[in-house]
Amino acid sequence: AQRVTQPEKLLSVFKGAPVELKCNYSYSGSPELFWYVQYSRQRLQLLLRHISRESIKGFTADLNKGETSFHLKKPFAQEEDSAMYYCALRGPSGSARQLTFGSGTQLTVLP
Amino acid sequence: ETGVTQSPTHLIKTRGQQVTLRCSSQSGHNTVSWYQQALGQGPQFIFQYYREEENGRGNFPPRFSGLQFPNYSSELNVNALELDDSALYLCASSPGGASGGNTIYFGEGSWLTVV
Repeated sequence: AQRVTQPEKLLSVFKGAPVELKCNYSYSGSPELFWYVQYSRQRLQLLLRHISRESIKGFTADLNKGETSFHLKKPFAQEEDSAMYYCALRGPSGSARQLTFGSGTQLTVLP
Repeated sequence: ETGVTQSPTHLIKTRGQQVTLRCSSQSGHNTVSWYQQALGQGPQFIFQYYREEENGRGNFPPRFSGLQFPNYSSELNVNALELDDSALYLCASSPGGASGGNTIYFGEGSWLTVV
């Protein structure tokens, strides 16, 4: 069974400090990993996905298959980064490819 | 701004009643999926529809059912409502086939409270 674990429900950092949101997964195969973000009063939206190897809003995430992790990092947090962050996994093509989400981490960036 | 719209935004139902939630997919998206998000939890996959057929289902009982229409809008129906069905219900659409394409776009959700 596929599973995503986000061990921190709440995370607070000061503006300008580095931030890391942890995500571990279990999946027997090669999944796709994503980070979704939900700002206050807005809909859930895609932040980044591992296959793109991109940096969005200064955030990066590297898939570590050995540690089955996909931690989200940003070197200098900004107040506008305060939001709910969800790590998600999707199975291979050929299936319905539903997303399996973690329970989320609420990030608060303090001034 | 995505084009996935859901209605109603909020509703209250009594235990045992039935509810229908509606979703209008983003233009050009032929795959729609529904998720349930309980308070303090991440979204959980209910089912997915592609070309009006269900092609994937999560761990939800048969009283959760759906429809997808030729214009790719869809409905989520829940019969015999239980208190634990109280949650935010998210609709998501994506382009590109039964496997759901690459990017999934979410609506703002429908808040259901069962009393």
